[in-house]
Amino acid sequence: AQRVTQPEKLLSVFKGAPVELKCNYSYSGSPELFWYVQYSRQRLQLLLRHISRESIKGFTADLNKGETSFHLKKPFAQEEDSAMYYCALKSNFGNEKLTFGTGTRLTIIP
Amino acid sequence: GAVVSQHPSWVICKSGTSVKIECRSLDFQATTMFWYRQFPKQSLMLMATSNEGSKATYEQGVEKDKFLINHASLTLSTLTVTSAHPEDSSFYICSALGWGAGRGPDTQYFGPGTRLTVL
Repeated sequence: AQRVTQPEKLLSVFKGAPVELKCNYSYSGSPELFWYVQYSRQRLQLLLRHISRESIKGFTADLNKGETSFHLKKPFAQEEDSAMYYCALKSNFGNEKLTFGTGTRLTIIP
Repeated sequence: GAVVSQHPSWVICKSGTSVKIECRSLDFQATTMFWYRQFPKQSLMLMATSNEGSKATYEQGVEKDKFLINHASLTLSTLTVTSAHPEDSSFYICSALGWGAGRGPDTQYFGPGTRLTVL
């Protein structure tokens, strides 16, 4: 069975400090990993996906298959980064279903 | 682009009544939509996969007779909570699978959610 673990429910970081939101997964095949973000009173939206290998809003995430991790990082936190972040996994079965982690609420302290 | 709407945004109903929630992809067609349920301070739990023109696929533990899903067109899926009870109170979120909508294929675009309260 596939599983996504986000060990931190809450994370507070000072503005300008580095941010790392942890995500570990359990899946026997080759998954596709995503980070979704939900800003206050807004809908869930895709932040980035590992296959794109892109930086969005200064965030990056690298898939580490050896450690089965997909941590989200940003070198300098900004106040507008405060939000709920969900890590999600899609299996390679072709059914497009996502398994979500429990989420981490990131608060940037001014 | 890739906007998904849900209606209503919130609904309060009496126990025993049925409630219908609509999910629409406004600027793209979606052969596949998903329905999630989210309890307070918890993650999204997939309830079912809705496929246009065919029966929905339900996740283990989800009662298909309780949560009726109809995906009658490429832009609309509906979730009907039948004979609702207080334990069905939750936040219901849909997503639509988009292709070529600016972020590449295989991307779920989420609706804003519907808060259901059953008295």
